[in-house]
Formats: sequence, structure tokens, C-alpha cells
Amino acid sequence: RKEVEQDPGPFNVPEGATVAFNCTYSNSASQSFFWYRQDCRKEPKLLMSVYSSGNEDGRFTAQLNRASQYISLLIRDSKLSDSATYLCVVSQPGGYNKLIFGAGTRLAVHP
Amino acid sequence: DGGITQSPKYLFRKEGQNVTLSCEQNLNHDAMYWYRQDPGQGLRLIYYSQIVNDFQKGDIAEGYSVSREKKESFPLTVTSAQKNPTAFYLCASSMQGGKQPQHFGDGTRLSIL
Repeated sequence: RKEVEQDPGPFNVPEGATVAFNCTYSNSASQSFFWYRQDCRKEPKLLMSVYSSGNEDGRFTAQLNRASQYISLLIRDSKLSDSATYLCVVSQPGGYNKLIFGAGTRLAVHP
Repeated sequence: DGGITQSPKYLFRKEGQNVTLSCEQNLNHDAMYWYRQDPGQGLRLIYYSQIVNDFQKGDIAEGYSVSREKKESFPLTVTSAQKNPTAFYLCASSMQGGKQPQHFGDGTRLSIL
């Protein structure tokens, strides 16, 4: 089983749609969770951290379910500029800041 | 502006040649990392360094070497022992303590001639 699993997509949605991405992780002792965005042939950029109580940043909402080892990202009112690959990232317990990156879910927003 | 600078953006390696990828940061971060990304795969950790003059192997260190002589700099050498070097190489840095997000440079694409 992969340490971090994501549906690779692609998710093809029209502008204005709401889209949700899911991610599962294998290590129940993981403590920190993030969503990154990666544009084609570019570096990953931090989109948001994910907190236990859930958190929102504008049109983006992240949720964490520790019991199910499941993380989600909801994007409301999709824009063309949201087209990218979204990476689910989970910290590995241990002495240093090791992050495990999912392979990503690709989103394509069309007019 | 604070950030991470990787160079060159594109690099071509001849067979049997060692090449060095540069990574410099001015974020005053203690920890630095090198990743490799292949199409359709997640990032894989090559080496990391938590402090100057110290570094550790990641998950796929074979065929690579690093140094950390200065806080700001963490160069990666891809040696001739790395038989499949074609990939997108990403350098990252983070603050120490807890599980911090990592911030990335804009990457180097390495190809074999």
C-alpha cells in the first residue's frame, strides 16, 4: 500500500463547479498535513496546511479525518486558473521533517 | 525577495559525466532537501540536511552526492553511477522544529545526451 494515495484524475469540470479531492494516508502517527498545487512543469507550491478542525482559505476548504486517515480538499466556484495538479502531503513521524508526497490529482477547468 | 534559486533550469549530461545542480536559499532555513520527480509519480527524497556540515540519505540516494558547507547552499551532484538520471530535480527548504511545510525552488530538468 502506498503511504499517500490520491485519485490521479483528471477531473474535468466547468468553470463555477465545485470539486472535491480525496487522499488517504497509511501512517496513523502522522501529525502534519498539507495540500500543494503544482502547475505543469513547475515546482509545487504550498496551497494550505490542513488542521484537525478543518480550515478554509477563500474558495478552498480542507478537512482531516484522523480516524479514517483521510484528507480532503474542496474547491468552490472553480476558475480556469485552478487547473493544476493537487498534491496531498503528509508528514512522516520521526526525528526530521520528512514529508511524503502523493502523486497528485490533476484538475482541468474548462470554460 | 526571499526564496530558493536553482540553476541551471535545464541540464544535459553525457554518459560517464558527473553534473552538479545548484540550490541557494536566502530564507534563513536550517533544513534543505533534494527531491526527484518522474512523470506520474510523487516526489522522492534523495538527500536532506538539517544543519550545516551534516546531511543524510533519503529514499533514493544511490548515484547522488551532496555537500552542505554553508547554510544557504546545498548542491547536488548526479554521478555517472546514476544510470537513469533523466528527471525533474527539486530543491526545498524549511524551518526546523515540528513538521513544517517545505518551500521549493523552480527546479532543474536533467536529460541524457
